[in-house]
Amino acid sequence: GAGVSQSPSNKVTEKGKDVELRCDPISGHTALYWYRQSLGQGLEFLIYFQGNSAPDKSGLPSDRFSAERTGGSVSTLTIQRTQQEDSAVYLCASSLEQGVKNIQYFGAGTRLSVL
Amino acid sequence: EDQVTQSPEALRLQEGESSSLNCSYTVSGLRGLFWYRQDPGKGPEFLFTLYSAGEEKEKERLKATLTKKESFLHITAPKPEDSATYLCAGRAMEYGNKLVFGAGTILRVKS
Repeated sequence: GAGVSQSPSNKVTEKGKDVELRCDPISGHTALYWYRQSLGQGLEFLIYFQGNSAPDKSGLPSDRFSAERTGGSVSTLTIQRTQQEDSAVYLCASSLEQGVKNIQYFGAGTRLSVL
Repeated sequence: EDQVTQSPEALRLQEGESSSLNCSYTVSGLRGLFWYRQDPGKGPEFLFTLYSAGEEKEKERLKATLTKKESFLHITAPKPEDSATYLCAGRAMEYGNKLVFGAGTILRVKS
């Protein structure tokens, strides 16, 4: 596709349920990032995938959060036993990772509401 | 401690009234300072990357500059369609490839 695609665009769930958020990066981009944007706050890094390297999971807020990237392309962010504080917009970005000059291109995000 | 701080939090301008947004950073080993524009309900849209002090980049009514401690986004003769949230982010050696974002400046331009 032309840009980063995320689905669903909106997700409403009940506290305690598991959710899966999907990201389709720009074709050919080797790096994929997940960020979280809470109301009135800046984007918070969650996890980073680069090629076949081990992912950088340093931003995941708890062990309820996990992510995988299959075949170096599509990624899924899973949140188990959702809590109300998980409500936020989850943004995915991809980049070419050309040395230090890489630009991250973002999808439109998934707005998660935990009731 | 915030590594990237943006000011003001919100800015209201009249159409044609030029101004500047500020992004100050304390990260060491900066490997790039990024500006994005974000419209409501959408993801951030890339505007500029600056890599070294003294560097400047322009796009239409926007001009970004970088010093050793801060970056400015100058908006010349803004129009209502420039209304958006402007985000800056730093990429640094100590943080690997992730971007560290400021909280953003909400810009409203009234006609």
